[in-house]
This record gives sequence, C-alpha cells and structure tokens, in this order.
Amino acid sequence: QKEVEQDPGPLSVPEGAIVSLNCTYSNSAFQYFMWYRQYSRKGPELLMYTYSSGNKEDGRFTAQVDKSSKYISLFIRDSQPSDSATYLCAFMDTGRRALTFGSGTRLQVQP
Amino acid sequence: DTAVSQTPKYLVTQMGNDKSIKCEQNLGHDTMYWYKQDSKKFLKIMFSYNNKELIINETVPNRFSPKSPDKAHLNLHINSLELGDSAVYFCASSQLAKDEQYFGPGTRLTVT
Repeated sequence: QKEVEQDPGPLSVPEGAIVSLNCTYSNSAFQYFMWYRQYSRKGPELLMYTYSSGNKEDGRFTAQVDKSSKYISLFIRDSQPSDSATYLCAFMDTGRRALTFGSGTRLQVQP
Repeated sequence: DTAVSQTPKYLVTQMGNDKSIKCEQNLGHDTMYWYKQDSKKFLKIMFSYNNKELIINETVPNRFSPKSPDKAHLNLHINSLELGDSAVYFCASSQLAKDEQYFGPGTRLTVT
C-alpha cells in the first residue's frame, strides 16, 4: 500500500465551481498536513498548513483533516481560471524533517 | 525579494560530467532540503541539512552530495551524471521549530 494516494486527475471544472481535492494516507506518524499548489514549470507554493483534525479556512480555500480516517481534503470555493495548477498534498511525521508528497492532482478551471 | 533561489534554472549536460546546482535562502531558516521531481511529477526528498549537519540522506546514489558553506546555502553536487538523473531538482527551506517548507523555482536538469 502506498503511503499517500492522490487522484492524478485531470479535474476539469467551470469557473465558479466548488472544487474538492483529496488524499488518503496510511502512515499514522504523519502529524502535519499541507497543501501545495504548483504551476507549470514553477516551484510548489504552500497554500495550507495544519496539524489537527477539523477544518481550516483561508479565503477561498478550506483544508479539512480527518485523522481517524486518514483522509485530508482541500476545497476551493468560487474557482478561478488562475487556480488551474497541480495541487499536491504533503505530510510530515514527527520524527523526520522531510515532506512526503502525493502525486498531485491537475486542476483545470474553464472560463 | 526572492525567498529561495536556485541557479541555474536550466542545465543541459552530457553523461559522465560533474555538475553543481546552487541554492540560497534569505528567510533566516536553519534547515534546507533537496527534492527531486521526476517526469511523472512525483516529488521526493533527497537530503535535509540543518546547522551543517546532514539530517536526512534518502536512498540516493553517492554520486549526489550536498554541500553547505553556511546556513543560507545548500548546494547539490552530482558526479558522473547519468541519463536517469534528468529531472527537476527543488531546493526548500524551513525553520526547525516549524514545518512549513518554502520551495525554490527548481532547476531542470537534462542529461544527454
């Protein structure tokens, strides 16, 4: 079983739609949960960071963590064409200082 | 001001050559990293360096070696380049007390 599972997409939605991106993980040592956005030929950009179960909101973005189910989500409200990118979930356990990434979901928001 | 910078942005070289990629961060962070992103866009940690100490050294060929002249720099040296080394290499940094990592723009390495 892979440590992290993430649907690669592509996910195509119309402008203004609500987008739901998901990752599941198997490593119980993961205690920090992140979402990164990566535009084509750019470096990953940190979007959301959380370490507890529940929801965290930042503007149009909401990160959701369910530790009991080992499941994290990123919701994007009122999606814009500028949101078109690859979204990477990332995890860190308490023992290591390195991130374990999902394979990324490519999102396309159609104007 | 760029927080994490890398040079060069593109690197095309032949098999067998030795090359270096430079990374600098101006965030005052004390931990730096190298990640490799393969052709399928999968990002994987290679090294983690804190206070001149190598913390993480994943299963990476010993042809790859990180060099940290000071806390703000972590360079990646690659000896005897192989075709399979072609990838995008990202540098990142974080403050040890926090875990948010900030990435550079990447160096696209092509070995011919």
